[in-house]
Amino acid sequence: GAGVSQSPSNKVTEKGKDVELRCDPISGHTALYWYRQRLGQGLEFLIYFQGNSAPDKSGLPSDRFSAERTGESVSTLTIQRTQQEDSAVYLCASSLSETHEQFFGPGTRLTVL
Amino acid sequence: GESVGLHLPTLSVQEGDNSIINCAYSNSASDYFIWYKQESGKGPQFIIDIRSNMDKRQGQRVTVLLNKTVKHLSLQIAATQPGDSAVYFCAENIGSGTYKYIFGTGTRLKVLA
Repeated sequence: GAGVSQSPSNKVTEKGKDVELRCDPISGHTALYWYRQRLGQGLEFLIYFQGNSAPDKSGLPSDRFSAERTGESVSTLTIQRTQQEDSAVYLCASSLSETHEQFFGPGTRLTVL
Repeated sequence: GESVGLHLPTLSVQEGDNSIINCAYSNSASDYFIWYKQESGKGPQFIIDIRSNMDKRQGQRVTVLLNKTVKHLSLQIAATQPGDSAVYFCAENIGSGTYKYIFGTGTRLKVLA
């Protein structure tokens, strides 16, 4: 079936605006992850959802960042009052609960002017 | 798409030669490790994994070595091909029943024709 999809692929916004990024995981995958990747750097863990368990939010950098997931389907990452340092590629990944391999989407490139 | 790895360590290898990419991980309790490949403008893609109770695992043209004493992972690619050009990340699972991963900063592999 289809892989992980993310939308939009690119988002340009002005400092102070809110943005919402969407992730559609692979059907049947109960785990979903959000990462941030700044230019030339590695992946920075943000948040992880596993089934009906409470999400692991330990990577969210500030209270401007939040994420939700509806059941075992779509997830949205919201960044409020965006700052220039939020500019990065935001990657979503999903995995089956019983395996570790994560399947990544193509990412959303966020540019905050 | 955005080019990742602009400021990452770079390994240049002649086509046909073997490549060795190294990674130092941080947590001695980590029990599972994955190598990912990321091509420009795309999300990371799974290459090979290894559990902490192993010291070597082989795949097709790739081998992962784990040295827990010095917390070191390496990825060996045999007969490197132009299509292997990408940024390579190691990721460690911190254990304790979680599927949370910490990613390394990455190494850019450049294959010279």
